[in-house]
Amino acid sequence: AQRVTQPEKLLSVFKGAPVELKCNYSYSGSPELFWYVQYSRQRLQLLLRHISRESIKGFTADLNKGETSFHLKKPFAQEEDSAMYYCALRGGNQFYFGTGTSLTVIP
Amino acid sequence: ETGVTQTPRHLVMGMTNKKSLKCEQHLGHNAMYWYKQSAKKPLELMFVYNFKEQTENNSVPSRFSPECPNSSHLFLHLHTLQPEDSALYLCASSLTGAEEQFFGPGTRLTVL
Repeated sequence: AQRVTQPEKLLSVFKGAPVELKCNYSYSGSPELFWYVQYSRQRLQLLLRHISRESIKGFTADLNKGETSFHLKKPFAQEEDSAMYYCALRGGNQFYFGTGTSLTVIP
Repeated sequence: ETGVTQTPRHLVMGMTNKKSLKCEQHLGHNAMYWYKQSAKKPLELMFVYNFKEQTENNSVPSRFSPECPNSSHLFLHLHTLQPEDSALYLCASSLTGAEEQFFGPGTRLTVL
């Protein structure tokens, strides 16, 4: 069973518009959730993790245990936000990644 | 080069060949990982090593054989692979098994 679901493969928004990348998960224990990002020609890197409760590059994500979601949000998208975004879950020694959402910010 | 490095970056091999992928990290981390990234599929965790000990083996076929001689180096030995094994193989490391993972650039493997 897929642990992490990212329903949108592609997402396009205009510069300055709000953006939300969806992530839902399935896990019976207490997972830790992450968002990783891969910019063009760069390697996969951590964007943020739920336990830090930080805002990175204007992005935030709140863990909603009731809805088992960890959606990534930014109020005003920038062109440099165009990238591939992966939601990931850690349970014990296991890591599960979603299939990713390709975000394009249109100038 | 700092961070996590992987060699080779590209590899083409026949089904009867034996080859090895190498991963090296210069971050002082104690956990290392192999992932497989196939087209249209999620990143799949293959193996986890923590302090040189293998802690996870996610039902990976025996034609993939990992080796972790020390905390800085991780190998993936390949033999008698199948065309469906063609994928991007990513190595990652983390300080412990629970921290942020740092990824290498990957090895693009093609099995003919």
